[in-house]
Amino acid sequence: SSEVTQDPAVSVVLGQTVRITCHGDSLRGNYASWYQQKPGQAPILVIYGDNNRPSGIPDRFSGSTSGTTASLTITGAQAEDEADYYCSSRDSSYNQLVFGGGTNLTVL
Amino acid sequence: QVQLVESGGGVVQPGRSLTLSCAASGFNFISYGLHWVRQAPGKGLEWVAVIWYDGSNKFYADSVKGRFTISRDNSKNMLFLQMNSLRAEDTAMYYCARDPCYAGNCYTPDYWGQGTRVTVSS
Repeated sequence: SSEVTQDPAVSVVLGQTVRITCHGDSLRGNYASWYQQKPGQAPILVIYGDNNRPSGIPDRFSGSTSGTTASLTITGAQAEDEADYYCSSRDSSYNQLVFGGGTNLTVL
Repeated sequence: QVQLVESGGGVVQPGRSLTLSCAASGFNFISYGLHWVRQAPGKGLEWVAVIWYDGSNKFYADSVKGRFTISRDNSKNMLFLQMNSLRAEDTAMYYCARDPCYAGNCYTPDYWGQGTRVTVSS
C-alpha cells in the first residue's frame, strides 16, 4: 500500500495562519480529506473532497491539493484548534484508504 | 442525531478471536458505506476495512487481510468486525465510521463513533 507523510508537529501563534501538509503518491488524482482529533476524542472530519467543509466546521478551515501534496490551512488559528490533524486519501492501486501519520498542532 | 456505538472490545489472548459490533442510528443506514479504523495507544489512525453500502465490496488493509472480516446487517443497522488470529499489534481503539460514498466510492469517512478498546495480551 502507499504511504502518506505529514510533519509530526507544527505550531502557530494565536490568530495567525498555519498550513499543514501531507505528501504521497496516492494524493495524485484522488481527493484528500482532513480530520481533527483532540485527546480522548474521536476524529472529526473538517475537510473533504480537497476543499469542502462539512456543516458546522468554521470557515477558517480550508484545503487544497496540488499533485502529490495536500494542504490544510487554518486562517486565524484559535486556541480550540489545538489538536492532531490527519489527512487521508484513497489508494487506488490497492482499493484501500490511507491516513497520514498525523500532525500535532500547538497554538501558542 | 447520528449515532455510531461500538461494542465488543476487551482483553483477549494472542491467537484468539473477537467480534466487534457497531450500532447505527439517526441516518439512512443502507445509503452509507462503513469503515473500521483503529488507533494503537499513542499512535496515529490506521484504516482497517470498508464495506460498501450494499455490501457489494469489501476491502482490507494488508495488515489484517485474511484474518479480519467486515460485515453488515442492513435489517438491524449493524456493522461487525470478526477478528481472528489476534496479535499484540492489533491492540488499539477501534472506531466505526460511516461514509457517504461520493460518486459511488467509499473513501471519505464523515462521522465516527467513540470507539471500543481491544487489548491483545497473554
